[in-house]
Amino acid sequence: AQKITQTQPGMFVQEKEAVTLDCTYDTSDPSYGLFWYKQPSSGEMIFLIYQGSYDQQNATEGRYSLNFQKARKSANLVISASQLGDSAMYFCAMREAMNSGYSTLTFGKGTMLLVSP
Amino acid sequence: DAGVIQSPRHEVTEMGQEVTLRCKPISGHDYLFWYRQTMMRGLELLIYFNNNVPIDDSGMPEDRFSAKMPNASFSTLKIQPSEPRDSAVYFCASRTGTGDPYEQYFGPGTRLTVT
Repeated sequence: AQKITQTQPGMFVQEKEAVTLDCTYDTSDPSYGLFWYKQPSSGEMIFLIYQGSYDQQNATEGRYSLNFQKARKSANLVISASQLGDSAMYFCAMREAMNSGYSTLTFGKGTMLLVSP
Repeated sequence: DAGVIQSPRHEVTEMGQEVTLRCKPISGHDYLFWYRQTMMRGLELLIYFNNNVPIDDSGMPEDRFSAKMPNASFSTLKIQPSEPRDSAVYFCASRTGTGDPYEQYFGPGTRLTVT
């Protein structure tokens, strides 16, 4: 079973509108973290936002917010007031502890967001 | 402060040749990760190091792949011999070992093409 599922291969949004990118996850680790990364066409991976499994409030970073619904195991990224520069691939990732005691990131397949004028 | 540095940024080589990718992590980070990104398989973790010691190499696809970290500021990923199916973007990432959220900082990647 996939640990991170991003069901939207592509999303379109008009400039200045809000958009939600979906992410569901699967883990039995009670202490885990969820990340969103942005990959523009230039290729670099840019960290956007983080949510810890014990955090009571949804994370926010500027125009980015994470809609964390623990019972539903979802961690959707909300981008408010979209800008043309938001056009990119977006990856959801989960940090969980391995049997070794170390933690690594598992990435979803990504969602391509296109923002139109 | 400089980010993660990778070289070369692009590599084109012929099947059968040896390829060496290089990475310099962020100073003070004690974890280093190597990933491979392809359209078919997405972003895959190949191997990671803690304090220069390989912790888990279960993601390394074959014996043709090897990685080393001789010191805290340098790591290599070597493919010998290379094959066309190794064509991908290879990322190096590093992070600190203390303090949530343990976010990983990625290098710009090396785009490898094997013909």
